Amino acid sequence: GDSVTQMEGPVTLSEEAFLTINCTYTATGYPSLFWYVQYPGEGLQLLLKATKADDKGSNKGFEATYRKETTSFHLEKGSVQVSDSAVYFCAFTPSGGYNKLIFGAGTRLAVHP
Amino acid sequence: DAGVIQSPRHEVTEMGQEVTLRCKPISGHNSLFWYRQTMMRGLELLIYFNNNVPIDDSGMPEDRFSAKMPNASFSTLKIQPSEPRDSAVYFCASVGQGGPEAFFGQGTRLTVV
Repeated sequence: GDSVTQMEGPVTLSEEAFLTINCTYTATGYPSLFWYVQYPGEGLQLLLKATKADDKGSNKGFEATYRKETTSFHLEKGSVQVSDSAVYFCAFTPSGGYNKLIFGAGTRLAVHP
Repeated sequence: DAGVIQSPRHEVTEMGQEVTLRCKPISGHNSLFWYRQTMMRGLELLIYFNNNVPIDDSGMPEDRFSAKMPNASFSTLKIQPSEPRDSAVYFCASVGQGGPEAFFGQGTRLTVV
């Protein structure tokens, strides 16, 4: 069935380090792909999205490319900041699925000065 | 727009009591989702509505849980009777007609003692 597998956390980095959080999905058809971020005590916010193969979503220095051949949507940032500390969720909406979101388990990122 | 509004933000109740969580989606959005977040299970989709009609409630854990959407601007999630294992953060999200971005409320943190 439809599912998302993402890197287990926590991921602990020093400020200005390079970040990669891996995400792969299992779905039929052509899903839309998302990364959501959850800061402590808050709801989820959309970080970036890609709706078709080879699209690159980007926001706040984060990027992810829709790779249909590897069914992946890895999140990257070249230089993380302490303020990036949060939980990151990879997700997709199945084709024709009323925009229902299927989430991965989430990856906690902790960035230290 | 004020975004998705959930109430209450925090709820502490005794086992066996009825609990009602409320959600006001973003005006004009036609899809509404209820999620539950716990450390053990992550984000689980409980139920979702499209144009006020329940589409899929297969994620509702048991008959103690029920959800309604009497109109486009209001939804409730009720637990009766509540149990300690229902303790979690419950999120409501809405999506506009064109999709695909989901907007989340700040969540209701439920503690059943």
